[in-house]
Amino acid sequence: NAGVTQTPKFQVLKTGQSMTLQCAQDMNHEYMSWYRQDPGMGLRLIHYSVGAGITDQGEVPNGYNVSRSTTEDFPLRLLSAAPSQTSVYFCASSWTGDDTDTQYFGPGTRLTVL
Amino acid sequence: GNSVTQMEGPVTLSEEAFLTINCTYTATGYPSLFWYVQYPGEGLQLLLKATKADDKGSNKGFEATYRKETTSFHLEKGSVQVSDSAVYFCALPELSSNTGKLIFGQGTTLQVKP
Repeated sequence: NAGVTQTPKFQVLKTGQSMTLQCAQDMNHEYMSWYRQDPGMGLRLIHYSVGAGITDQGEVPNGYNVSRSTTEDFPLRLLSAAPSQTSVYFCASSWTGDDTDTQYFGPGTRLTVL
Repeated sequence: GNSVTQMEGPVTLSEEAFLTINCTYTATGYPSLFWYVQYPGEGLQLLLKATKADDKGSNKGFEATYRKETTSFHLEKGSVQVSDSAVYFCALPELSSNTGKLIFGQGTTLQVKP
């Protein structure tokens, strides 16, 4: 049981490049989310999903796309990277039982956009 | 929607000192309340939670009591160790019903010196 895994751990991009941050969980959780963490701002929700085929925007969705084709995977796509997207990105998952609100986090991806 | 306010850091303590990190919230109803911890270079881990008013969550010597009268969920530990150095986040669900989305405080950095 690996929990929530994220790849890569570190990435450096040039402005305008695209890339996909990978997230997978093996706990059969329905809910999955992407957050970004910036100094002094806590965690802000980018996109989330309540199940395969269903996604919605969070607080800061601009510049990011997501899809959810399977329960396990929830990739985050940067279409044209900008320096403002330099951040640490966390994926999280939770289940739909009584303990829905407890989220389980991956180790994070540290992204730098030059 | 719900919101959370957390005391600003950093907090610097000597080993064996008493710790309090303040957290207050505004919410409709009585949602679950959480404290997450982030150790250097890692993702967030659930530290403790309380699911209803007057509940006390506890883990690893940390405690927090869900106080609806003061809308607070302060984190306390009687004797901190160097290994407790981390960033601590207070959190609650975005809405009082189960949506799988959490709102986080900005985080409080704790540094414990030997």
